[in-house]
Amino acid sequence: AQSVTQLDSHVSVSEGTPVLLRCNYSSSYSPSLFWYVQHPNKGLQLLLKYTSAATLVKGINGFEAEFKKSETSFHLTKPSAHMSDAAEYFCVVSYGGSQGNLIFGKGTKLSVKP
Amino acid sequence: GAVVSQHPSWVICKSGTSVKIECRSLDFQATTMFWYRQFPKQSLMLMATSNEGSKATYEQGVEKDKFLINHASLTLSTLTVTSAHPEDSSFYICSTPGTSIAGELFFGEGSRLTVL
Repeated sequence: AQSVTQLDSHVSVSEGTPVLLRCNYSSSYSPSLFWYVQHPNKGLQLLLKYTSAATLVKGINGFEAEFKKSETSFHLTKPSAHMSDAAEYFCVVSYGGSQGNLIFGKGTKLSVKP
Repeated sequence: GAVVSQHPSWVICKSGTSVKIECRSLDFQATTMFWYRQFPKQSLMLMATSNEGSKATYEQGVEKDKFLINHASLTLSTLTVTSAHPEDSSFYICSTPGTSIAGELFFGEGSRLTVL
């Protein structure tokens, strides 16, 4: 079965330190991969997407993610955390076809300490 | 500005009443709208898919008579929670495909429903 796993439900970092949010997927072929961010009581905003072009994808707000097929991973990183990065992050996998063929990870809550 | 406008952001209602949530696409035509439900500290669960001018497609386990979805125009989709009960309290989010890339979606800002 197709699935997406966010390995950490909660990540806490200090402001100015690197951020790593992990995501692994199961796949029988190459999917499209997305990271979305959700601030409290808000909808989701697209951070970045991978669609079989460059494996290192740069997104908004200084985030980037690297698609590693051999590891079936798409981890989200940022060199230096900012207080405003505190939010819930969702890794989403699309296996094409209908837009309904999306699988959402369970989310990782990022806390940023001053 | 927001691509998808969703309101109300917050609604509190009494048990047994009905609540309507609207999602409007701004400056573009949304032929498809997805409706999600999100429980606290949980991921999004797809409830139904609405297509303009046709009946919505509901996911397994979602009561279509309780969660009425209407997509009467290319810019407006509505979700009505009928005869709401406290267990219907949740965060409801709509989204629509933004491009031809499957999986890229524009989300509404969500509606927090609390049923007393």
